[in-house]
Amino acid sequence: EVQLVESGGGLVQPGRSLRLSCTVSGFNFGDYIMAWVRQAPGKGLEWVGFIRSKNYGGTREYAASVKGRFTISRDDSKSIAYLHMTSLKTEDTAVYYCTRETYNIRRSDYWGQGTLVTVSS
Amino acid sequence: DIQMTQSPSSLSASVGDRVSISCRATQSIRTYLSWYQQKPGKAPKLLIYAASSLQTGVPSRFSAIGSETEFILTISDLQPEDFATYYCQQTLTTPRTFGQGTKLEI
Repeated sequence: EVQLVESGGGLVQPGRSLRLSCTVSGFNFGDYIMAWVRQAPGKGLEWVGFIRSKNYGGTREYAASVKGRFTISRDDSKSIAYLHMTSLKTEDTAVYYCTRETYNIRRSDYWGQGTLVTVSS
Repeated sequence: DIQMTQSPSSLSASVGDRVSISCRATQSIRTYLSWYQQKPGKAPKLLIYAASSLQTGVPSRFSAIGSETEFILTISDLQPEDFATYYCQQTLTTPRTFGQGTKLEI
């Protein structure tokens, strides 16, 4: 059974950093793009970014709103994807979801349950 | 960036109705379009990929068509569990972008 479980959310002050983890099971982690999507309270979905698998260079893409502040990484040996968030702003408050994206016929077919990040003083 | 616009933003319907939701892209995305359903407090669920392919396990009352810039999701014979918010997403390029969502209410 495919599972994605996010962790690491919580309350953090503006300007501080936080690292989220997405631990997966049930599929070959190294074969997939791992993406992060967020949803501010009462708002729609916003794509944050993704990291390609190593055999596609392990390259990363980011939304303009987080580029330079957020970094996505992956540890294929542990089947974990990370979202390292720095210089956090109040507008980064959201539920953060990790998803796996397939290469052929690109789609985010499995999602985690989400973890809430609240940026507030 | 490619912008995705859904209409309507909200929709009222009844059990047994047939409803359609539109999604428009600001440039051609061929058929790189997915549809998701989200219920309150839950993660989004993939319904449709490649503009018209039904994800495994999704009921056949969900269907979708479209290509290039115009896409439509149709739900036939609405069931109580279908009342949710629906999002389209383009996966042609990065940044991947979502529509603003359509809330389907009773």
